[in-house]
Amino acid sequence: EADIYQTPRYLVIGTGKKITLECSQTMGHDKMYWYQQDPGMELHLIHYSYGVNSTEKGDLSSESTVSRIRTEHFPLTLESARPSHTSQYLCASSEGSHTRETQYFGPGTRLLVL
Amino acid sequence: KNQVEQSPQSLIILEGKNCTLQCNYTVSPFSNLRWYKQDTGRGPVSLTIMTFSENTKSNGRYTATLDADTKQSSLHITASQLSDSASYICVVSDRGSTLGRLYFGRGTQLTVWP
Repeated sequence: EADIYQTPRYLVIGTGKKITLECSQTMGHDKMYWYQQDPGMELHLIHYSYGVNSTEKGDLSSESTVSRIRTEHFPLTLESARPSHTSQYLCASSEGSHTRETQYFGPGTRLLVL
Repeated sequence: KNQVEQSPQSLIILEGKNCTLQCNYTVSPFSNLRWYKQDTGRGPVSLTIMTFSENTKSNGRYTATLDADTKQSSLHITASQLSDSASYICVVSDRGSTLGRLYFGRGTQLTVWP
């Protein structure tokens, strides 16, 4: 069982609000990721980090931002939420070379922007 | 362009029966292929990972096969249980970067009925 946590699990918020989705892992993994997943669709990478003070944008353009001040913590922030941000957000972490690397996923945050 | 195609999109089987899920990919250069199980409202959990030289990998009642020549993989579930009801996602990694970019399929939604 992976030790990676996300809060909140569910969030309903109004347009224009600032929100932060929390993600933390206790496995000491250097690499962390944020994915966006809509129902019945594939996961899309929106941000990733190789370690502290390292963040990169993923394949899917996103208006969100991330930070990596501590190894175990990788929060995602939306400065002004819009209905188009409604989705499920999954955080993951991994260790090792990418040949055998396995990503461990958190339970996800379901976001609804009204 | 989605480079990982899964079939069928959804499948209903009776408890105790076997089933096989398919994954075709066009990702190149190929590094590895993973199968994940995603329960409703949860993050994906890794079932198997196979590199180019491996053509079969088992994890309990789950057996994955890989044909790197035809770029096809299958996940066979034996003696299905109600708890097998989930989305099964095929993920292929390339060797184009240190990160090893991941290409996600849209998943096969499996429902096991009693």
